[in-house]
Amino acid sequence: GAGVSQSPSNKVTEKGKDVELRCDPISGHTALYWYRQSLGQGLEFLIYFQGNSAPDKSGLPSDRFSAERTGGSVSTLTIQRTQQEDSAVYLCASSSTGYQPQHFGDGTRLSIL
Amino acid sequence: AQKVTQAQTEISVVEKEDVTLDCVYETRDTTYYLFWYKQPPSGELVFLIRRNSFDEQNEISGRYSWNFQKSTSSFNFTITASQVVDSAVYFCALSLFTGANSKLTFGKGITLSVRP
Repeated sequence: GAGVSQSPSNKVTEKGKDVELRCDPISGHTALYWYRQSLGQGLEFLIYFQGNSAPDKSGLPSDRFSAERTGGSVSTLTIQRTQQEDSAVYLCASSSTGYQPQHFGDGTRLSIL
Repeated sequence: AQKVTQAQTEISVVEKEDVTLDCVYETRDTTYYLFWYKQPPSGELVFLIRRNSFDEQNEISGRYSWNFQKSTSSFNFTITASQVVDSAVYFCALSLFTGANSKLTFGKGITLSVRP
């Protein structure tokens, strides 16, 4: 597709369950970013990928959060043992290089019951 | 650490009014980028503009204009003759030049409502 694609668009799960969020960046974009948007905290950086490696994981809030990227393309953000404070919109962005503007997907709205 | 402050939280104007969205930033780095993104009710963040710290020239694109002033660490955004379709949340953001990691530091956003 032409833009960044994220799935699912909405996810409702029970506290304590694990969830996986997927991001398919724009074809050819080597840089990929995950952000989280919540009412209380605004837009926060989580992790940056260059190719398949993640040189900056400084924004991951706890060790329950992890992410990987395979084939220099699709990325998966995994949250283990979800907590209610994990409820937020998770946004993925990609850019052709780290110096170019980032283009965002529509996000995954995660609700923890 | 970087910080972006958007002191205005909500602005409401009547269509055709001009409106300015303020953005003040903090960074100790001398090389950085500044951005504005628009988030309409549909939710997707839409890139509007990027300026680098070496270029203080103001920019105009149709009804949109941006005023970058390093002396006051501000990067303000003006919409001229606002339209209902301009209703959205607008985010100002900053990234550094360091390596290829251009992670964005965002302000809290300004909700703009344009009434017919």
